[in-house]
Amino acid sequence: EVQLVESGGGLVQPGRSLKLSCLASGFTFSNYGMNWIRQAPGKGLEWVASISSSSSYIYYADTVKGRFTISRDNAKNTLYLQMTSLRSEDTALYYCAHLPYWGQGVMVTVSS
Amino acid sequence: DIQMTQSPSFLSASVGERVTLSCKASQNINKYLDWYQQKLGEAPKLLIYNTNNLHTGIPSRFSGSGSGTDYTLTISSLQPEDVATYFCLQRNSWPALTFGSGTKLEIK
Repeated sequence: EVQLVESGGGLVQPGRSLKLSCLASGFTFSNYGMNWIRQAPGKGLEWVASISSSSSYIYYADTVKGRFTISRDNAKNTLYLQMTSLRSEDTALYYCAHLPYWGQGVMVTVSS
Repeated sequence: DIQMTQSPSFLSASVGERVTLSCKASQNINKYLDWYQQKLGEAPKLLIYNTNNLHTGIPSRFSGSGSGTDYTLTISSLQPEDVATYFCLQRNSWPALTFGSGTKLEIK
């Protein structure tokens, strides 16, 4: 059974940084691309970033380019999202996804 | 970016009723359209992929259709356990995935 468990969320002040993790199990993590997707309160889903299996290809939404960094450690079956220069509009539930499988999400709140 | 317009945003229907949800893309997405169900507090679950393919284990009352820019999810006979939010996902412009805004479905 595919399981994706996010962690690392919380309350952070604007301009600060936060790093999310996603521990994957139930499939051969190193063989698949992975994604981060978010949903702001009361809003729709927004794709954030994707990374290929070997990290050779990385893509970002324009809204986070230059501020967020997606990475992975295939030895640890873990996906990461390093978020810097956080803004109030980054407040959202962040999902790790190996489509069509999603984690439960982790909440990030950016507020002073 | 491809925009996905989903309708209606809210739907109330009776048990046994036929229900239809719609997603319209801002350009041709070549049938790369998936439908997900998300129940409160749970991760989204895939129902239909590539417009009309039923995902493993999904009841046959769910079906999808469409082409070009217009896509539909149909529940042939609404059941109480179908109460959820449903959203579409277009993958034609991968990796720039875009989503419909969701339809919240309740039982009348």
